[in-house]
Amino acid sequence: SQQGEEDPQALSIQEGENATMNCSYKTSINNLQWYRQNSGRGLVHLILIRSNEREKHSGRLRVTLDTSKKSSSLLITASRAADTASYFCATVGRGGSNYKLTFGKGTLLTVNP
Amino acid sequence: DVKVTQSSRYLVKRTGEKVFLECVQDMDHENMFWYRQDPGLGLRLIYFSYDVKMKEKGDIPEGYSVSREKKERFSLILESASTNQTSMYLCASSLGLAGGLETQYFGPGTRLLVL
Repeated sequence: SQQGEEDPQALSIQEGENATMNCSYKTSINNLQWYRQNSGRGLVHLILIRSNEREKHSGRLRVTLDTSKKSSSLLITASRAADTASYFCATVGRGGSNYKLTFGKGTLLTVNP
Repeated sequence: DVKVTQSSRYLVKRTGEKVFLECVQDMDHENMFWYRQDPGLGLRLIYFSYDVKMKEKGDIPEGYSVSREKKERFSLILESASTNQTSMYLCASSLGLAGGLETQYFGPGTRLLVL
């Protein structure tokens, strides 16, 4: 069953603006990850945040995690046309197969030059 | 860098054909995965393997089987292809770390069309 649900489904912004995508999930997690997919290609891992972390940064990326609300957000600052892609959140649940990721349906980000 | 390769980028098959999708990783990863990706449905796990000759069903295994005879290679088999198996197929691998801190490395995908 799908665990993460991204919001919005699609986002269109101008180059230089910030882009924020949200992810909600349903059950307790071990960690939450964000992946990026360029059109017609495989996914690339961006960042992992553990369940006991609240915020993490990597370059122009900032991820927050609120386990009480079962939600996460991905912020891309000073966006570029090359950031145009689909972005997916994925969760690793507690217990069971702890190497199994459950993906959301993704947010399609378009950055206009 | 981890490299995950898939045997074909595009594949066209006829209904009823047996189809093999091959995936190879070069980083000695323990775990390998097969997903399919469809518009509006996201990525769905078909099968995964946590060791040679070991496999476990994912969320949508019906109509598929897998084979892992060597650590670096994981094959997805469509025994009798059907039109509803037209999709993008993605292979991934992960190291096999304890504690659930797994990130997955993906291949470029195979776009399969079943006519």
